[in-house]
Amino acid sequence: GAGVSQSPRYKVAKRGQDVALRCDPISGHVSLFWYQQALGQGPEFLTYFQNEAQLDKSGLPSDRFFAERPEGSVSTLKIQRTQQEDSAVYLCASSLYRGLYNEQFFGPGTRLTVL
Amino acid sequence: AQSVTQLGSHVSVSEGALVLLRCNYSSSVPPYLFWYVQYPNQGLQLLLKYTTGATLVKGINGFEAEFKKSETSFHLTKPSAHMSDAAEYFCAVSVNNNDMRFGAGTRLTVKP
Repeated sequence: GAGVSQSPRYKVAKRGQDVALRCDPISGHVSLFWYQQALGQGPEFLTYFQNEAQLDKSGLPSDRFFAERPEGSVSTLKIQRTQQEDSAVYLCASSLYRGLYNEQFFGPGTRLTVL
Repeated sequence: AQSVTQLGSHVSVSEGALVLLRCNYSSSVPPYLFWYVQYPNQGLQLLLKYTTGATLVKGINGFEAEFKKSETSFHLTKPSAHMSDAAEYFCAVSVNNNDMRFGAGTRLTVKP
């Protein structure tokens, strides 16, 4: 596709439910990033992949959050036992190579609402 | 650790007026600085970035920003606002390859 796509675009979950958010990066992009954007805030870094390797997961807020990219392309962010504070927009971004000289292209995000 | 402060969560200008969105950063090492724009229901789009070299950076849609180390600022400007500029703008800073820190954003409204 032409850009980064994310699915679903909207997700409503009951507290305690597990959710899985999908990111399809731009084809051929090596780097993939996940961000969490709370209402009225800027995106906050969650985790980073280079190909299939998760090189940085320092931003994941708890062990309920898990991300994978098993084949180095599509990535899934999984949140177990969702809590109300997990409500946010989850953004995925990809870039051709590692490094800030390479622009990060963002997807439209998945808006997660936990009731 | 690096951080970004955007002064003013909402800015309103008239069409044709100067746009000035303020961003101050904190970093212990030379930073890379970015401005992103987010239109409703769309992903963030890079407007411009400063890495090294010339401190005045020109971006898309007529926007530019100037890196001022002495003031730790990277304000975004556009000489003449257009209705299509109405969006949310985010300043971001990074000192390594993976960890980008964003400000809280400034919502720009353009009045006809």
